[in-house]
Formats: sequence, C-alpha cells, structure tokens
Amino acid sequence: QQPVQSPQAVILREGEDAVINCSSSKALYSVHWYRQKHGEAPVFLMILLKGGEQKGHEKISASFNEKKQQSSLYLTASQLSYSGTYFCGSKYSGGGADGLTFGKGTHLIIQP
Amino acid sequence: DGGITQSPKYLFRKEGQNVTLSCEQNLNHDAMYWYRQDPGQGLRLIYYSQIVNDFQKGDIAEGYSVSREKKESFPLTVTSAQKNPTAFYLCASSISPRDTQYFGPGTRLTVL
Repeated sequence: QQPVQSPQAVILREGEDAVINCSSSKALYSVHWYRQKHGEAPVFLMILLKGGEQKGHEKISASFNEKKQQSSLYLTASQLSYSGTYFCGSKYSGGGADGLTFGKGTHLIIQP
Repeated sequence: DGGITQSPKYLFRKEGQNVTLSCEQNLNHDAMYWYRQDPGQGLRLIYYSQIVNDFQKGDIAEGYSVSREKKESFPLTVTSAQKNPTAFYLCASSISPRDTQYFGPGTRLTVL
C-alpha cells in the first residue's frame, strides 16, 4: 500500500517555511526522502529509522512518529533551489529486502 | 568517479519490439532496483536484486524481464507483452537492501 503524501502541492515565497507529510497505514521500518527536479533522477535527502528520531540536513529536517506511522519533512527559510517534487519512500516493518514504496509526491514551487 | 549510469537517455521503439535498458554501477553495491515513473506519479518497483544471480519481482513486473550476471550490471528488458511501456525508467542501487538507494539519471522510453 502506497504511503499518502500531503499536501499535493504548495507554493511559497522565498524564505517561507513548508511541511510535507507522509502517512502509512502499515507499520513503518524506515522512511526515505527524495527531491526530484523535472526530467531528472530523484536525489536522496535523508533516511529515518523507526524510533521517532529527527534528522537535519542544512535547512531541511525530518521527523518520524512511530505511533502515528508518519514522517514529516520540514523546509525552513526556503530557497529557490528547493523547488521540485518531494517523494517519501517507505520500507515496512521487518525491513524487507525489496525496494521502496513511494508516495505520489508533493510539488513544491518557490517564487522569488 | 563512482556512480550509476543508465543508457540511453532517450529511447524510441516501435510497438511490438523488445528493448533492453542498461544500468551499470561502480559503487560496489549488492542491491539493485528498477522503477518506473509515469507523469505525475510516484515511482513503482518493477524488479529488484539483492545479490548476483538472484532477482525478485516487484509490484509491476508483468511484461518486463531482468538479469543479474554481474554485480555491476542489472539490465531491464521491456517486452512486447508490456501494454503501456512509455515511461521514465529509473535504476537504483544500495549497499544492502535496508540502506539508502541512489538513483541513476534514468531512461525515457517512448513507444510509437
């Protein structure tokens, strides 16, 4: 079952903050966040393992709420380069040897 | 430089023809994956391989075939049995099945 991402799209002014959510109906083992620019391959941002940890990467951070089976990606003081489509990829409990199950993506547009 | 290469970048084929997409990595990764991406959609898993000479079907394997004769290579054949082959195909690899997946640049296949 595909994780559900929200919102589907968001438009921001440069410098504003955004939150992207990824929810699963199945118990999560890990959540992987990627950003994809149009026509290009997804670029890895960060991985979160179950345990409710929070990670940071420059002005982008993420959290993993094991109780809610949800991960959130936080973009602070957004820059023009943050524009793109953000995907969460899930691995379910047990880890699994298979690939990731991706959400449909969140389109982020940053305007000057 | 270490990385994942896919060739060709663009591929055009006539309906009913089989076509093979190349994926090579020099990262010494054990696991490799093939995903398909349709416009406005997330990535869907076609096949994955944990080790050489072993591979498993993903969520949408019908009409596709793969081989894993070498650690570095994981070619995907799109057969004439695949009803809607036009899509963006992405290859990925990871050190192990639970680790971060890194993507190649992708091949855009158009069937005329």
